[in-house]
This record gives sequence, C-alpha cells and structure tokens, in this order.
Amino acid sequence: QKEVEQNSGPLSVPEGAIASLNCTYSDRGSQSFFWYRQYSGKSPELIMFIYSNGDKEDGRFTAQLNKASQYVSLLIRDSQPSDSATYLCAVNKYSSASKIIFGSGTRLSIRP
Amino acid sequence: ETGVTQTPRHLVMGMTNKKSLKCEQHLGHNAMYWYKQSAKKPLELMFVYNFKEQTENNSVPSRFSPECPNSSHLFLHLHTLQPEDSALYLCASSQGTGDFDTQYFGPGTRLTVL
Repeated sequence: QKEVEQNSGPLSVPEGAIASLNCTYSDRGSQSFFWYRQYSGKSPELIMFIYSNGDKEDGRFTAQLNKASQYVSLLIRDSQPSDSATYLCAVNKYSSASKIIFGSGTRLSIRP
Repeated sequence: ETGVTQTPRHLVMGMTNKKSLKCEQHLGHNAMYWYKQSAKKPLELMFVYNFKEQTENNSVPSRFSPECPNSSHLFLHLHTLQPEDSALYLCASSQGTGDFDTQYFGPGTRLTVL
C-alpha cells in the first residue's frame, strides 16, 4: 500500500462546477496535511494545510479531513480554467517529524 | 529577492562532469530540503537540514553530495551522474521540522544528464 494515494486522473470538470480531489494515507499518526498545486514545468505551490478533523475554507478552496477514515480531500468551487494543474496531497510522517510524503498527484482539467 | 530561489534553472551535463545546484531562502527559515521529481513519479525527499545539520538522508547515492553552510543556503554537488538522474530538483524550506511546519518550494532546476 502506498503511503499517500491519489487518483492520477485526469479529472475533467466543466468551468463553474465543483472539482473534488481525494487522497488517502496510511500512517495513522500523521498530524498535518497539505495540498499543493503544480502547473506543468513549475514547482509545487502550497494551497492549503489542515490539521483538525472537519472542513477548512479559504476562498474557493475547502479542505476536508477525516482522520478516522484516513482521508483528506480538496474541493474547488466555481472551477476556472486557471485551476487546471496537478494537485499534490502531502502528509507528514509521524515517525519522522521532518518528513512529508507526497502523493503522485491528480491531474485536473477544467473545460470551458 | 523573496521566497526560495534556485540556480541554475536548467542544467545539461555529461556523465563525467561535476556541477553544483544552489538554493537560497529569504524567509528566515531554519530547515531546508532537497527533493527529486521524475516524470510520472511522486516527489522524493533526498536530504533534510535543520540549523545547518543534516537530519535526513533518504538513502541517496553518494554521487549526490549536499552542503549547507548556513540556514539560508543549500547546495547539491553532483558528480558522475547517470542518465536516470535526469529530473527536476526542487529545494524547499520551512520554519522548523515539526509536525506542523509548512514547506515552501523554489522554482526547481531541470537537470538533464547525457
């Protein structure tokens, strides 16, 4: 089992709709969870982080965390073509405080 | 300059060359990281430095040699690389190495080994 799993996509969503990106992780002791956006040929850019169970909203983005199910998701409301990118889920590894494990990423495509 | 910078942005080298990648962070952070990103693979952590001390070496081959002279600068010295080492090399920094420290990435160096 991979430590952080994401559906590779591509996930195609019409402009203006809600894009839902999902991630599962294996380390029950993980405390912090991050979503990064990466445009092709560019470096990852932090979008959101979440530490507590429940929802965290920031503008059009909502991160959701369920530690019991070891599941974290990112919702993007009112999707725009500029949201087309690869979204990386990252989870800290409990046994090594400095170590963040990245998923392979989900490629999101917003169609006009 | 702001954030995390990396030079060069692109590098082509032969298998017998020696080159170095440079990273500088202007965020006042204490921890710095090297990652490798190959096509179709997740980001792989290579090295972690905290207050100039190496705290993590993720079983990286010795042909990659990191150097951290201070908390703001990080180098990756390369020698006798292999074609499979071609990848995007990313530097990141964070305030510390605690569970809740967020990492911020530089633009990366695209390395091609011929």
